[in-house]
Amino acid sequence: GENVEQHPSTLSVQEGDSAVIKCTYSDSASNYFPWYKQELGKRPQLIIDIRSNVGEKKDQRIAVTLNKTAKHFSLHITETQPEDSAVYFCAASGVLGNTGKLIFGQGTTLQVKP
Amino acid sequence: SQTIHQWPATLVQPVGSPLSLECTVEGTSNPNLYWYRQAAGRGLQLLFYSVGIGQISSEVPQNLSASRPQDRQFILSSKKLLLSDSGFYLCAWGQGYAGELFFGEGSRLTVL
Repeated sequence: GENVEQHPSTLSVQEGDSAVIKCTYSDSASNYFPWYKQELGKRPQLIIDIRSNVGEKKDQRIAVTLNKTAKHFSLHITETQPEDSAVYFCAASGVLGNTGKLIFGQGTTLQVKP
Repeated sequence: SQTIHQWPATLVQPVGSPLSLECTVEGTSNPNLYWYRQAAGRGLQLLFYSVGIGQISSEVPQNLSASRPQDRQFILSSKKLLLSDSGFYLCAWGQGYAGELFFGEGSRLTVL
């Protein structure tokens, strides 16, 4: 089955700096790659996603890149702010059947220092 | 608009006691439903998913079980809780293809 590895597990940056979180996946059939943000004690919420027919997607300060050949994708946050502090999860989903299940990485705790 | 409700929000149970967590979705029909568990400081582990009434797929062997008695209702159960069952349980729904999952507020279970 699908396996998703995420690095680093913790990341501390200064406000205004950039943050990069990387994920690799094992199933070459995966075609959907979302990123979720989870604030302390709350539910995960989607912040950006990308499909396998696209190499890069950007939404204001957040961007995601996908390298299908290498089976890895990354989240880039520019001009970080204290409110970006949270746990970020990458995930992957395949095309087989209609399960729609997401397999998540282990999470990255991002701390943005003011 | 679609909403997802999950309860109870917090639960403290002794080892060996039963468990029932309930999740309902409103505003959509025939959703795919999922139970995830998040242990302290760890990632989201898929426990069960369901593509229709009475159809349950288990991802991880354990002492938990899931049921879907109605189209928009998903229940997570255990007959006898273990200490290792402690964690944050999240119910989610999706449209049935590779796309966004929408999570409930979560249920924090502490087994003592």
